[in-house]
Amino acid sequence: KAGVTQTPRYLIKTRGQQVTLSCSPISGHRSVSWYQQTPGQGLQFLFEYFSETQRNKGNFPGRFSGRQFSNSRSEMNVSTLELGDSALYLCASSDLQGAYGYTFGSGTRLTVV
Amino acid sequence: AQSVTQLGSHVSVSEGALVLLRCNYSSSVPPYLFWYVQYPNQGLQLLLKYTSAATLVKGINGFEAEFKKSETSFHLTKPSAHMSDAAEYFCAVSDQTGANNLFFGTGTRLTVIP
Repeated sequence: KAGVTQTPRYLIKTRGQQVTLSCSPISGHRSVSWYQQTPGQGLQFLFEYFSETQRNKGNFPGRFSGRQFSNSRSEMNVSTLELGDSALYLCASSDLQGAYGYTFGSGTRLTVV
Repeated sequence: AQSVTQLGSHVSVSEGALVLLRCNYSSSVPPYLFWYVQYPNQGLQLLLKYTSAATLVKGINGFEAEFKKSETSFHLTKPSAHMSDAAEYFCAVSDQTGANNLFFGTGTRLTVIP
């Protein structure tokens, strides 16, 4: 059974640009959540999608958005990138409602220059 | 509101010694509690989870944790450290009201000295 796949693994963007990250969940998992990991703020919840609907959202500005497709694949988008957006972005999928059944991907390392 | 405090951002142990990583939680409702491990340039791997069943939870790689409600603690232990245990460890809490997110501690980096 394939794990959670995040693409790309590494990304370098310029301040002011926008970026889209992709997450393919484990087959059959309908819940996808996104987390940001930085040395200063640690691991912070961004948002969670279930059956194409955003069910929960963390405390991030509107520049951070996401969506989920009918096949449960999810994308997150960050517009007008800032230097502080440099982070490891982790995706987790679950076959159950909630964090009980999370499996994390290896993450996308975003560097904003 | 849920939160987690991990005491000690860095812990060093000798190979073969006891590993003890501390986690205290705060939750307004009965919590779900988790320990994750992260190796360099990798995502998070679940070690174990407490979901209101047995208070002593056994996980992978010989790790276990005990839920102590009176102390609001969920410390992670392993009787004998191995070099491969060197990594960063995160404690996390979720609530049982249906929220679908985890609140993580700041992590503890474990170093194993040969």
